[in-house]
Parts: sequence; structure tokens; C-alpha cells
Amino acid sequence: GAVVSQHPSRVICKSGTSVKIECRSLDFQATTMFWYRQFPKQSLMLMATSNEGSKATYEQGVEKDKFLINHASLTLSTLTVTSAHPEDSSFYICSASIRAGGRTDTQYFGPGTRLTVL
Amino acid sequence: QQQVKQSPQSLIVQKGGISIINCAYENTAFDYFPWYQQFPGKGPALLIAIRPDVSEKKEGRFTISFNKSAKQFSLHIMDSQPGDSATYFCAAGSNFGNEKLTFGTGTRLTIIP
Repeated sequence: GAVVSQHPSRVICKSGTSVKIECRSLDFQATTMFWYRQFPKQSLMLMATSNEGSKATYEQGVEKDKFLINHASLTLSTLTVTSAHPEDSSFYICSASIRAGGRTDTQYFGPGTRLTVL
Repeated sequence: QQQVKQSPQSLIVQKGGISIINCAYENTAFDYFPWYQQFPGKGPALLIAIRPDVSEKKEGRFTISFNKSAKQFSLHIMDSQPGDSATYFCAAGSNFGNEKLTFGTGTRLTIIP
């Protein structure tokens, strides 16, 4: 099946630093990638949608200057949490839409990145 | 109108029994309804998905039932096993999953021996 990887799986950083999280589709080209955050025992909240080569579309309430998204290629998207603070501590998960047979179909999720800001 | 309501919040089922989780949506533009399984500390894994042109889809022990007129869909897990203990999320999206998914609130399923 389609595999989406994320790196790193866990990161601990000091308040005020920036953290970059990578999301890669390993065996397919992803026309669209999505970034979610999930707090403990809660559902996934979409942060932004990114298409290769264009600016990301952010959901209402998500600060685009704080959560920088770059979708440099059809297999790589990055999320940078700038000037991280303890309230940014969360589980960040990406997903990618796979194009199959000329029709975009199905989202597959990465394993997630646990960010802890001290 | 973008909400997806999921119930129950938690569910305990005996091994070998049937687990049933329900979801309801409002947006008639949704045309893609996946179910995801998530274990603690892991990303969601796609279990099974359905489109509105069919009323039921079965894959192994997992079945989605879909009622377009009622705007409801449900996941049935037959012969539930302890390894099925996880959190299950329903979701709904447009453009066959290419656009953003709206997730339900999740159901924590526990299968007891």
C-alpha cells in the first residue's frame, strides 16, 4: 500500500526555537498534502492544505506565519513551527492524496510527529 | 454544515462480538467516507472507505453501511478481536478524498476477552 513517512517521529525543543517536520510520500506522487494536529484523546484538526508548487491554504484560526508550510515537490512537504511555545506541543500528522489511474483518490496518513516544547 | 457526528464516544465489546460505530453528516457535497483506525502514538490508518453510489462495502471483517437519504454511515466490525482495540475515526470529504477531510470525534473501542 501507499506509504507516507514523517521525520522526526519525536522532537523536544526549547521555547522560542523553530522546528521543521518533513512529510514524504515514499512510493507515489502526492498532488495534495494535508497537515493536521491532534491533542491527546481528541480528533484530528486540519491545519492546512498544500499543493505542490503553490501556497498552502490555511484553516481559520491557524497562524500562517507561525506554521510555515512548503510543498517543494510531489513527494515532500514540510511544516515549520516557528518560535515554538509550550502550547504548540501536540501530535502533528500529515496525509497525502494519491493519484491512481488518473483520478485522485484516497488519503494516507503519516505516523505522526510528537512535538514537545519546554 | 461541515460537521461529522460520531457515536458512541467509547465502546466495549466482548471478543467475537460485533462492534458498531455510527456517523452522521450534513453536507450533501461529501462524496467520500473513509474510516480510520488509530493506535496510541501512531498516525491513523485507512481501514475502509465508501462512496455514495453503493450502500454497503465489505472488506474482511469490516463493513461500511451507507444510507444516503439519512446522511448516515456506520462501521461494523465482525468477530471483534482484542487487536481491534483502538480509536476509530469516521471522516467525510469531497472530490473523492482529494480535498480536506472532516473527521468525527472518534470512538475508543475496547475488546474484552
